Amino acid sequence: EAQVTQNPRYLITVTGKKLTVTCSQNMNHEYMSWYRQDPGLGLRQIYYSMNVEVTDKGDVPEGYKVSRKEKRNFPLILESPSPNQTSLYFCASVGESTGELFFGEGSRLTVL
Amino acid sequence: AQSVAQPEDQVNVAEGNPLTVKCTYSVSGNPYLFWYVQYPNRGLQFLLKYITGDNLVKGSYGFEAEFNKSQTSFHLKKPSALVSDSALYFCAVLDSNYQLIWGAGTKLIIKP
Repeated sequence: EAQVTQNPRYLITVTGKKLTVTCSQNMNHEYMSWYRQDPGLGLRQIYYSMNVEVTDKGDVPEGYKVSRKEKRNFPLILESPSPNQTSLYFCASVGESTGELFFGEGSRLTVL
Repeated sequence: AQSVAQPEDQVNVAEGNPLTVKCTYSVSGNPYLFWYVQYPNRGLQFLLKYITGDNLVKGSYGFEAEFNKSQTSFHLKKPSALVSDSALYFCAVLDSNYQLIWGAGTKLIIKP
């Protein structure tokens, strides 16, 4: 089954404690992306990756890092989380032939 | 500037009635347009897309959307609403850099 898997689904942490949200897809997609979803703001892109070792900033990259060492994985790293990063995060990969995004189930992060 | 607008934060429809969720866009060139749906506590799911061809596009769950070039609109429609259609709906357009621009989302509430 085609899937994008994110972990953890829910996390409560404290300011400054580094955390990583993992994302893995099994569709051999080259393009992957991270979004955050906040009420009234819709989806905002954090980072995206066109292929292995190729990453680029989206609209709201501040406070985040990503890496793409292999095609299937695209982790999101918060080196020093702050309360304004409390949000719902989605990872997505794109089917190149259709342009359709496949989303993970989301990771709800709370930073105290 | 390239943008997507969903002018209604919320749409309320009685079950069995037709529904419309509005979307207008501003993008250079020929638009690639998408609708996604987000059910509570879930990731986004692809509904339908317009790339080229027939202006009326049919998608999942009985939804369809009409592309209107002169009005730069891509409204989502369904002839007869179900309570289970209650969800958050996002319109998106692919910009000239092959990045998705998202609308802010419209909450659809179907009342029995």
